[in-house]
Parts: sequence; structure tokens; C-alpha cells
Amino acid sequence: KAGVTQTPRYLIKTRGQQVTLSCSPISGHRSVSWYQQTPGQGLQFLFEYFSETQRNKGNFPGRFSGRQFSNSRSEMNVSTLELGDSALYLCASSLEARGYGYTFGSGTRLTVV
Amino acid sequence: DAKTTQPPSMDCAEGRAANLPCNHSTISGNEYVYWYRQIHSQGPQYIIHGLKNNETNEMASLIITEDRKSSTLILPHATLRDTAVYYCIVRVEGDSNYQLIWGAGTKLIIKP
Repeated sequence: KAGVTQTPRYLIKTRGQQVTLSCSPISGHRSVSWYQQTPGQGLQFLFEYFSETQRNKGNFPGRFSGRQFSNSRSEMNVSTLELGDSALYLCASSLEARGYGYTFGSGTRLTVV
Repeated sequence: DAKTTQPPSMDCAEGRAANLPCNHSTISGNEYVYWYRQIHSQGPQYIIHGLKNNETNEMASLIITEDRKSSTLILPHATLRDTAVYYCIVRVEGDSNYQLIWGAGTKLIIKP
């Protein structure tokens, strides 16, 4: 079966711009989580959506937001980009929002210049 | 804050068992231990999880101490493809949700 698909794979943006990343979960999975990965901070949880509702949120500023559609596809948006937002953004899907059985995508590499 | 402590790196000879330790001394009674690994340029891959009993699947075995303050992931016959960063994670339960608290991971290098 198809895995978790994240688009785009690579992105370069300028400070102050905004960006939208997309994640298509495995068919049938209703939970989508987003993580930020940087060399200095490692993997940090952003938020989790289940059936179009945000169930959980990490400790990130309001510039980071997300949503989930009725087909379980999810998007995350970062507004007013800062240099420190450069990172690998990972999406993971699972059947339920219970924190296990995650399947991760390959990520979107965002570079802010 | 991370609830797990792992050695930053380890080496293992190909064909031997790789034993990756993890300390989680502050774990609560209902918090699960998860292991994921991340091969370079890919998303993390689920390996195994457990609460208090030892667990085994086709990829690995998980040994959790009786006091649950530490665990060991065992890859029985390591291959070069097992070279990756291995994360020991605690699943924290909130009011109505769960969250995986990731540590810094162990970079495992399998040598021929």
C-alpha cells in the first residue's frame, strides 16, 4: 500500500514569507502528526489531528498552524518565516490518535534564507 | 523535556547482536516505551514498543527491567542496513491524548 506522502520534498523560502506543507496519510489512517527536526533540537512535536480536529499541540508559536481535511490529508502552515524555521518537517499517520503505530513520510526539507 | 537518555553513538560488528541501552528512570506506570529508527534522509521507522513485559517482533527484541527504569533494544543479527539513529521514546498520556517524547537517539554504526 502507498506510504505517507509529503510534498514538496524541498523548499527554499525567504524570511518573512509564509509556507504551506502537505501530507497525505496512508489510506484509512485518520490521525496525522507533524514534527520538526533540526540538528540542535532533534525531533519536536508540533501537533496532531484526528478526524479534522486538533487533538494535541506542542510548544510552538502561533506562527505554526495546521489543519486536516475530511479525506484525512493534512497541511501545516508557517507564517512570517524566520531563519530558525529551517528544518526537516515530518508527517506521520496512524489509525488512531493513540501515539503508536506511526508511519512517517520522508519529510519536507525547508530552508529559510 | 526528553524523558530518555541514550548513548550518543555505538558500533557493532556485522552479524553480531546490537544491544542499545536506554535509561528512562522517571517513567510513570502507564507510560509506554517505544523504539524508532531513522536511516539517513528518511522518516523514522517504528521498531517495537512495550510497557513492562519483554517484547519481540520480526525486527527486534525489547527488554525492560523489572523496575522499568531502563530498557534495551536488541537487534539479533545486525546488518549494514541497520546503520541508523535509534530513538528510545516515552509515550506520555495527557487528559485525552498521547504524545511521544523523543530523546536525542543513538547513532548505531554497523561495521563489516
